[in-house]
Amino acid sequence: RKEVEQDPGPFNVPEGATVAFNCTYSNSASQSFFWYRQDCRKEPKLLMSVYSSGNEDGRFTAQLNRASQYISLLIRDSKLSDSATYLCVVDYGQNFVFGPGTRLSVLP
Amino acid sequence: NAGVTQTPKFRVLKTGQSMTLLCAQDMNHEYMYWYRQDPGMGLRLIHYSVGEGTTAKGEVPDGYNVSRLKKQNFLLGLESAAPSQTSVYFCASDGAFGQETQYFGPGTRLLVL
Repeated sequence: RKEVEQDPGPFNVPEGATVAFNCTYSNSASQSFFWYRQDCRKEPKLLMSVYSSGNEDGRFTAQLNRASQYISLLIRDSKLSDSATYLCVVDYGQNFVFGPGTRLSVLP
Repeated sequence: NAGVTQTPKFRVLKTGQSMTLLCAQDMNHEYMYWYRQDPGMGLRLIHYSVGEGTTAKGEVPDGYNVSRLKKQNFLLGLESAAPSQTSVYFCASDGAFGQETQYFGPGTRLLVL
């Protein structure tokens, strides 16, 4: 099993749609979880951390299910500017492991 | 405050040539990292450093060497470039592993012919 797996995508959605991304990880001891956003030909940037109780930041909601080793990101009311690749990131003790990313295209 | 900077931004090498990529951060971060990003594979950790004078191997260290002589700089060296090292290289830093955001540099695109 790969360390961090994500929905392969791409996701093409109309403006205003709600879209959800899934991520699974294999290390049951992981303590830190993040979603990063990466625009085309740019560096990754932190979108939000993921907490055990779940957390929300405006239109974005992240959830963690430790029992299933599963992380999700929900984007409501999609904007054109949300088009990017979303990276799931999990700590594996000494370093972080990045998922391959899920590409989102929001269409007008 | 420039954050994390990388030089060069783009480079073309011939097989067997050597080069050094420079990463600099002005946030007084202890931890620094070098990643490579290839299509469909996500970022993979090459080497990292937990402080000045320290380095450690990541997931894909073969063919690379690093040095952290100053806290603000982290150098990645390719002694004898191979076409398999064609990639985008990102440097990152953070203040406390697992507890803070990793800040990334803009990347270096390397093509090895």
